[in-house]
Amino acid sequence: NAGVTQTPKFQVLKTGQSMTLQCAQDMNHEYMSWYRQDPGMGLRLIHYSVGAGITDQGEVPNGYNVSRSTTEDFPLRLLSAAPSQTSVYFCASSIGTGTYNEQFFGPGTRLTVL
Amino acid sequence: GESVGLHLPTLSVQEGDNSIINCAYSNSASDYFIWYKQESGKGPQFIIDIRSNMDKRQGQRVTVLLNKTVKHLSLQIAATQPGDSAVYFCAECNQAGTALIFGKGTTLSVSS
Repeated sequence: NAGVTQTPKFQVLKTGQSMTLQCAQDMNHEYMSWYRQDPGMGLRLIHYSVGAGITDQGEVPNGYNVSRSTTEDFPLRLLSAAPSQTSVYFCASSIGTGTYNEQFFGPGTRLTVL
Repeated sequence: GESVGLHLPTLSVQEGDNSIINCAYSNSASDYFIWYKQESGKGPQFIIDIRSNMDKRQGQRVTVLLNKTVKHLSLQIAATQPGDSAVYFCAECNQAGTALIFGKGTTLSVSS
């Protein structure tokens, strides 16, 4: 198993540009999520999904869109990038919800918005 | 909102020492608490978790202690090695299992 994979590893955008961060998992996990990590900080939840076709907002959802058309993929879209979105983005997955299940994290995407 | 925090931003120890990393949490309704290790340029890696109905849980060279009276969580690493150098985060999981709330992290530096 490759686990949780993310692309790209690095990205530089100009203010106002749009882009999609890709996340995929091959563990047949129902739950997937996106976090952002700012310097010296812990991770904060952006959006999550408990299964295909179901998404919900986390702590910091503004400026980001998600969709979940398949179990494997959970892309994060920035419609109009802002410098405040400069951060490292992590995707995570777990087998399910209803209670705590161990979450597996991807290697991250480092995004810089100029 | 509710938050999880760590007491110290950095901890420096000698190889072979035991390390103790502390965390204070505020949401008494959280059901699980988790410790993660994050190496430079990588995603968080699960170390150990503990359910709120437990006081102590042991893994390989690691022990997590939970004191619900004072809302305190600690991670003990026995015989610390240079490979243990990383940032350590505590996190709490909401009861639905849909969100982790992370603390700010403690950077552990191990010198040989």
